[in-house]
Amino acid sequence: RKEVEQDPGPFNVPEGATVAFNCTYSNSASQSFFWYRQDCRKEPKLLMSVYSSGNEDGRFTAQLNRASQYISLLIRDSKLSDSATYLCVTNTGNQFYFGTGTSLTVIP
Amino acid sequence: DVKVTQSSRYLVKRTGEKVFLECVQDMDHENMFWYRQDPGLGLRLIYFSYDVKMKEKGDIPEGYSVSREKKERFSLILESASTNQTSMYLCAVLSGLATDTQYFGPGTRLTVL
Repeated sequence: RKEVEQDPGPFNVPEGATVAFNCTYSNSASQSFFWYRQDCRKEPKLLMSVYSSGNEDGRFTAQLNRASQYISLLIRDSKLSDSATYLCVTNTGNQFYFGTGTSLTVIP
Repeated sequence: DVKVTQSSRYLVKRTGEKVFLECVQDMDHENMFWYRQDPGLGLRLIYFSYDVKMKEKGDIPEGYSVSREKKERFSLILESASTNQTSMYLCAVLSGLATDTQYFGPGTRLTVL
């Protein structure tokens, strides 16, 4: 079983739509959680860390449910520039585990 | 943010060649990582290092070795390149400030013919 699992998509949504991604992780000892964004042929870049209480950064909201071992990312008012692959990441000690990513395309 | 640079963006090598991929960070962080990324498989950890001359195997170390002689530099070595090592190679640095966050270099797309 993979450490981190994501729906690969693709998600194709119109501009202005709200889209949500979920991710599940298998290790209950996971300590930290992140969403990264990766553009085509570029490196992953940190989008936001995910805290137990949930956190928001502009149009982006991340939630963590430790009991069910899933992490979510909500994007409101989608922009064309949000088109990318979103990677769910967990951390245990110095080891990081990456999901294979969810592809999002925002359509004009 | 941490700045991470990698020696080449694109590299083409022949089977059996020895290949060096270099990664340099601009801060004094201890932990550095080498991943490869392949479609459908995501990022897989090859090796990581938590200090100078220290290294630990990741999930897929076979066919690779690493060198960390200076804190800012972490090198990945393919002793004898094979076609199944064609991949995107990403170096990452762990920043321990506030939250443990990895910062990635731009990646090296290696093709082995």
